[in-house]
Amino acid sequence: DAGITQSPRHKVTETGTPVTLRCHQTENHRYMYWYRQDPGHGLRLIHYSYGVKDTDKGEVSDGYSVSRSKTEDFLLTLESATSSQTSVYFCAIREQGSANYGYTFGSGTRLTVV
Amino acid sequence: TQLLEQSPQFLSIQEGENLTVYCNSSSVFSSLQWYRQEPGEGPVLLVTVVTGGEVKKLKRLTFQFGDARKDSSLHITAAQPGDTGLYLCAGGARYGQNFVFGPGTRLSVLP
Repeated sequence: DAGITQSPRHKVTETGTPVTLRCHQTENHRYMYWYRQDPGHGLRLIHYSYGVKDTDKGEVSDGYSVSRSKTEDFLLTLESATSSQTSVYFCAIREQGSANYGYTFGSGTRLTVV
Repeated sequence: TQLLEQSPQFLSIQEGENLTVYCNSSSVFSSLQWYRQEPGEGPVLLVTVVTGGEVKKLKRLTFQFGDARKDSSLHITAAQPGDTGLYLCAGGARYGQNFVFGPGTRLSVLP
């Protein structure tokens, strides 16, 4: 298989609580990404990482933070969850930044903020 | 900001029919990728096209990159229920730049 797993697969949380989603890869890829997918918007980039402790913001980064202390793990944290952050979150990995390399996605985490 | 548009948004057809879905932008991309996503799963890469005018075939699927590298099409011949899913295109402008994803075309192939 692709060697990328996300946890948890489903989560319901209350508004104002912190939430951390985990992405784990066994491919030793340098690049890791967090996306959210919402109807009508497609996949939107939240944050990405190009190495251990090297991260940068995507187009919808407000309200989210990330950490990458090891090559294999990339964590996404919602510091204080809001209803607008109800979404399906996907982690992706890519071997290199070259345009010829595709993304490999995890199976997603469905997050509901009530 | 580079944007990708996809059309149609939804498509429902009978098994055995042919179809074409489109991916368009006002921006030039160095490459374009197509993904298929099934319910409850992440997108899976189908193909990458990098040269203007390039045509790639994957069994019954034919992908074309526009000459100006601003658009792409996906043609499916004799669609099958297994082709059902969300088809996403993604464009990359240059090395190291993150790809931009279109909103997708949701295809339903009825038996």
